[in-house]
Amino acid sequence: GAGVSQSPSNKVTEKGKDVELRCDPISGHTALYWYRQSLGQGLEFLIYFQGNSAPDKSGLPSDRFSAERTGGSVSTLTIQRTQQEDSAVYLCASSLEWFPGDTQYFGPGTRLTVL
Amino acid sequence: AQSVTQPDIHITVSEGASLELRCNYSYGATPYLFWYVQSPGQGLQLLLKYFSGDTLVQGIKGFEAEFKRSQSSFNLRKPSVHWSDAAEYFCAVGPILTGGGNKLTFGTGTQLKVEL
Repeated sequence: GAGVSQSPSNKVTEKGKDVELRCDPISGHTALYWYRQSLGQGLEFLIYFQGNSAPDKSGLPSDRFSAERTGGSVSTLTIQRTQQEDSAVYLCASSLEWFPGDTQYFGPGTRLTVL
Repeated sequence: AQSVTQPDIHITVSEGASLELRCNYSYGATPYLFWYVQSPGQGLQLLLKYFSGDTLVQGIKGFEAEFKRSQSSFNLRKPSVHWSDAAEYFCAVGPILTGGGNKLTFGTGTQLKVEL
């Protein structure tokens, strides 16, 4: 079946602009995660959504970052007033349930470049 | 706070040789342990995971990993490496308690190069 998809695959933006990154999880998966992969920081957790519960936003690096998940499916990660240090690959993952140990399936990522 | 250490940033092996990638973790208790592989331009793919039971875990693509509680280690091994195994490998830990959700903490990765 279809895996996790993300769009766009690449995004180049100017410093100070807002960007939106989209994630389509595997159909039926109740949990959705965003991670960031950057040269200086490796792979770091940003936010995750578990069913209808409030999202865990503990990994968001600043209030310029926000995410929403509409209808329990598609998610959008928004970065406002982008900075050069936001340049990274943003990975989305989903899992069938949100229980510890549930396998997370990753999308191919969106490479964000802030000029 | 939990952490994962992958001490080898780069490893080069010859095709057909054996492979061992090291992973050490710091956690309050034995966490869920994972190995993921990332090929160029691809997302992460799960190779194997461990929580309890037999400390030698078999995964996909001929990989296995051994959990050693006394050493807080979860090293990945493969008896004979293929050129297609060239990729970046990530060790990760996840919480075991429901209240901890399912967010993963990753190591910094080991880049594997395979020489023909």
